[in-house]
Amino acid sequence: GEDVEQSLFLSVREGDSSVINCTYTDSSSTYLYWYKQEPGAGLQLLTYIFSNMDMKQDQRLTVLLNKKDKHLSLRIADTQTGDSAIYFCAEAPRGGKLIFGQGTTLQVKP
Amino acid sequence: KAGVTQTPRYLIKTRGQQVTLSCSPISGHRSVSWYQQTPGQGLQFLFEYFSETQRNKGNFPGRFSGRQFSNSRSEMNVSTLELGDSALYLCASSLVTGKDEQFFGPGTRLTVL
Repeated sequence: GEDVEQSLFLSVREGDSSVINCTYTDSSSTYLYWYKQEPGAGLQLLTYIFSNMDMKQDQRLTVLLNKKDKHLSLRIADTQTGDSAIYFCAEAPRGGKLIFGQGTTLQVKP
Repeated sequence: KAGVTQTPRYLIKTRGQQVTLSCSPISGHRSVSWYQQTPGQGLQFLFEYFSETQRNKGNFPGRFSGRQFSNSRSEMNVSTLELGDSALYLCASSLVTGKDEQFFGPGTRLTVL
């Protein structure tokens, strides 16, 4: 079946690293995505990883993929208060249909 | 390059009415997908259009429909509105197929009274 699971809430101190975890079920997904949503806004594509990669780094963001365990994580280095938002992971098993997790609310305390 | 635009941004309707939402994709993008976001169900896929054809459909009743025009702009329609249709409706565009990066618009906030 199609299911993506995320923890609902994460609180960190400014300057610390944040790690948001996600598990997915469909091994046919070629791409896995991380989106960010700020209050009252749409979804902002942060980064994505191909399923044949283990890791992708993009400035402060590091995505790790464990395909065997169907586990995806997003690490944000030196987390800032502006990073406070809801983070969604998503898989794309078929065409344009994205399957989203419930979203992880990241709270960054000064 | 302008991003994905959605109109209107906010809408208030009453039960039983119908509504049409519009989405203009990024210039050059030919695929448009629609999603519904609610606090209870999260983000759920409605449908995907490419070259004026519906390529993929989510699990929504027939009251939800859409179409895509030759300039790639898309509209979705909800007929006989129910209270549970209150949601943020998000449109996403991608270059060719949905497996390309999808860029989202700001959404249309629909409130059904």
